[in-house]
Amino acid sequence: DAGITQSPRYKITETGRQVTLMCHQTWSHSYMFWYRQDLGHGLRLIYYSAAADITDKGEVPDGYVVSRSKTENFPLTLESATRSQTSVYFCASSLRSNEQFFGPGTRLTVL
Amino acid sequence: KQEVTQIPAALSVPEGENLVLNCSFTDSAIYNLQWFRQDPGKGLTSLLLIQSSQREQTSGRLNASLDKSSGRSTLYIAASQPGDSATYLCADYNFNKFYFGSGTKLNVKP
Repeated sequence: DAGITQSPRYKITETGRQVTLMCHQTWSHSYMFWYRQDLGHGLRLIYYSAAADITDKGEVPDGYVVSRSKTENFPLTLESATRSQTSVYFCASSLRSNEQFFGPGTRLTVL
Repeated sequence: KQEVTQIPAALSVPEGENLVLNCSFTDSAIYNLQWFRQDPGKGLTSLLLIQSSQREQTSGRLNASLDKSSGRSTLYIAASQPGDSATYLCADYNFNKFYFGSGTKLNVKP
């Protein structure tokens, strides 16, 4: 299917475990983004990527790792999950300064 | 750091009313401004994108304007309907990043 997809849609894990959230887009957009959305904080940028093999930190990067070996994929890894990382995670893509499109989100709970 | 503010945080109106949502940003050197809609438990849906060279964009009952000199954008919703109930977010694009406001939660009463 065309568009931007995220998997899994829901995930429950335990403190200290490694978790990887997947993001895939079919538009060949150069830019991809990871956000987290929390009550009282709105959407906060974790990491973004301007192209394959180019990534940069956003507002809240600590505890997260990203990679982008292919244009269409932008996985987000929590190396050692903490309860404060319980959140809804959104992936997005865009053509540089053009319209940004969002995935459906992943609801992550860290126990 | 670019800051984006949306006022009011919540708004409740009767069906059929015309309404305006406000978005202000601190850095006028933005490339574009985008308005989104978010339904509870869902992702963000793009509504309108205004490029920095444009003053406004229209889609159906929605009209968004951009005034870079004053650091403001407005989203005008005509003849509101209960189906318009959602949270509306604005985001501006600057220095390779999008900066989001905290949103306006709109409730349209039947």
